[in-house]
Amino acid sequence: EPEVTQTPSHQVTQMGQEVILRCVPISNHLYFYWYRQILGQKVEFLVSFYNNEISEKSEIFDDQFSVERPDGSNFTLKIRSTKLEDSAMYFCASRQDGSLAFFGQGTRLTVV
Amino acid sequence: SQQGEEDPQALSIQEGENATMNCSYKTSINNLQWYRQNSGRGLVHLILIRSNEREKHSGRLRVTLDTSKKSSSLLITASRAADTASYFCATDIIQGAQKLVFGQGTRLTINP
Repeated sequence: EPEVTQTPSHQVTQMGQEVILRCVPISNHLYFYWYRQILGQKVEFLVSFYNNEISEKSEIFDDQFSVERPDGSNFTLKIRSTKLEDSAMYFCASRQDGSLAFFGQGTRLTVV
Repeated sequence: SQQGEEDPQALSIQEGENATMNCSYKTSINNLQWYRQNSGRGLVHLILIRSNEREKHSGRLRVTLDTSKKSSSLLITASRAADTASYFCATDIIQGAQKLVFGQGTRLTINP
């Protein structure tokens, strides 16, 4: 079965640093997403991306965050000036129109 | 209440018993999806049920959808210790970027 891959699996960064989380969605999918899950809490929507632009973003997704699809395969989430409360599991997902979303295994971000 | 709320929040049963988890939502949906998450791991899609479907089966899983009550249930029959995980419903809402909105999840524990 095709899968969404995320790298790295675990990232430790110092407060104030920038991190880039990487994702390779499934190749023929059209919609791409980033979600966040703080330990023990629900999975929260951050942003959706379609047709090479952001189609929707949540209140969490402020100017600290940005997404990019630099080429035909990668989809990245950049977090600038990380804060302690950015520590969470970040999931990338992709889907075709109206179908099951496939999630990656996540990147565990720890801000120290 | 939030879109996509599961109950119970935690469920503990004996191996071999059936486990039923419920999900309620507020807005109109295209479909509803159930996901499983082992502790600290990624999200694995289990089943998708469309708004015009009432019931769907996959192996030991049975999902129902009642759009008039805006609710869904996930039944796991003949539970096994390996079914221990968190289960989330995610609603694919009609408006917006086809994002999935997750509930808080049900933590299922199967006791051997």
